[in-house]
Amino acid sequence: GENVEQHPSTLSVQEGDSAVIKCTYSDSASNYFPWYKQELGKRPQLIIDIRSNVGEKKDQRIAVTLNKTAKHFSLHITETQPEDSAVYFCAAIASGTYKYIFGTGTRLKVLA
Amino acid sequence: GAGVSQSPSNKVTEKGKDVELRCDPISGHTALYWYRQRLGQGLEFLIYFQGNSAPDKSGLPSDRFSAERTGESVSTLTIQRTQQEDSAVYLCASTARQSTAKETQYFGPGTRLLVL
Repeated sequence: GENVEQHPSTLSVQEGDSAVIKCTYSDSASNYFPWYKQELGKRPQLIIDIRSNVGEKKDQRIAVTLNKTAKHFSLHITETQPEDSAVYFCAAIASGTYKYIFGTGTRLKVLA
Repeated sequence: GAGVSQSPSNKVTEKGKDVELRCDPISGHTALYWYRQRLGQGLEFLIYFQGNSAPDKSGLPSDRFSAERTGESVSTLTIQRTQQEDSAVYLCASTARQSTAKETQYFGPGTRLLVL
């Protein structure tokens, strides 16, 4: 069945450095890839998403890249800040379906 | 309402008891999802509602789990004869459209269930 692998499971970076989280999906029909941020004890919230007709999308310090051939997509956070510390989830959905397949999450710690 | 709400926020129950978890989606949102999140784990899809219908119940872990939705609004997730492995946070999410998943999912705060 559909599967999304996410790496790394934990990531520690120094404040100001960049962080990269990678996801690989199995269903070649996937065409929408959102990223969610979940702070401790809070609900997941969408931070950025990308559709399969573009290769990169940027929103201030965060960006997402998509490689359809390799079936992977990545989240990039630049100039990290302590408030970026959270668990980040990627997801993939195929066109015409409703089912989000989530990755297992990456716990990001930004060290001050 | 301002967002998706869930109740109770926390529930402690004894093994073997039944529990009901409630989700109030954003008004007008036709699609509603239930997920389970075990401690330190990802989001496990349980069930999806399109209006009041559940086209896909394949994510429900066992026949002890059931869900319904009425009035294209409130949904309840019922777990019968709870087991310790049911302990998790149960998250509800809603989206505006019913026919596509390319819509932002708005999550509720979750119900933290602990089965003793």
